[in-house]
Amino acid sequence: DAGITQSPRYKITETGRQVTLMCHQTWSHSYMFWYRQDLGHGLRLIYYSAAADITDKGEVPDGYVVSRSKTENFPLTLESATRSQTSVYFCASRGLAGGGTYEQYFGPGTRLTVT
Amino acid sequence: AQKVTQAQTEISVVEKEDVTLDCVYETRDTTYYLFWYKQPPSGELVFLIRRNSFDEQNEISGRYSWNFQKSTSSFNFTITASQVVDSAVYFCALSEARGSNYKLTFGKGTLLTVNP
Repeated sequence: DAGITQSPRYKITETGRQVTLMCHQTWSHSYMFWYRQDLGHGLRLIYYSAAADITDKGEVPDGYVVSRSKTENFPLTLESATRSQTSVYFCASRGLAGGGTYEQYFGPGTRLTVT
Repeated sequence: AQKVTQAQTEISVVEKEDVTLDCVYETRDTTYYLFWYKQPPSGELVFLIRRNSFDEQNEISGRYSWNFQKSTSSFNFTITASQVVDSAVYFCALSEARGSNYKLTFGKGTLLTVNP
């Protein structure tokens, strides 16, 4: 029962480079989410996806791109990394609300440092 | 717009003390969901509980209990006989039932330190 996994767990990259954070869930959950966690800001939603090929912006989407070609994967790409994107990134998933699942389950997080 | 306020930024207690973490929320929806998550020093976010807006029963799970009061828009979390392993950041979150998004809005979190 792997649940929801993220890779890499730690990443150091340079300003201007493209980096992709991976998220994979084994529950076949419809919804997937990307958050960033920063001191003083708590958890902020970057993007979310209601199903394969359906994505939408969250609170802080600028500088990020997502895709979801398969239900189980939801990669997050920083097209040209900036120091302000240094953060801990969490992926989460949730089943269909009609099935009684409203809570989100989180991956272990990816700590990204942009130098 | 929905909002969650956790006024206590940090709380420090001695083991075996009871501690209550406060959570106040704002929403215009009549149907919504409230959650508590725990983030221990290892960093993962662990789901603890969900309450529905139409169910005001308090809940107890071992040493944990939750008090939901719609009249004061509060969803407080009490740990009885705290232990060192309870040391973590605790987040309260709110989800409105608009459309099918059910996006979570988190409070800023309360850092609980339980000292031996």
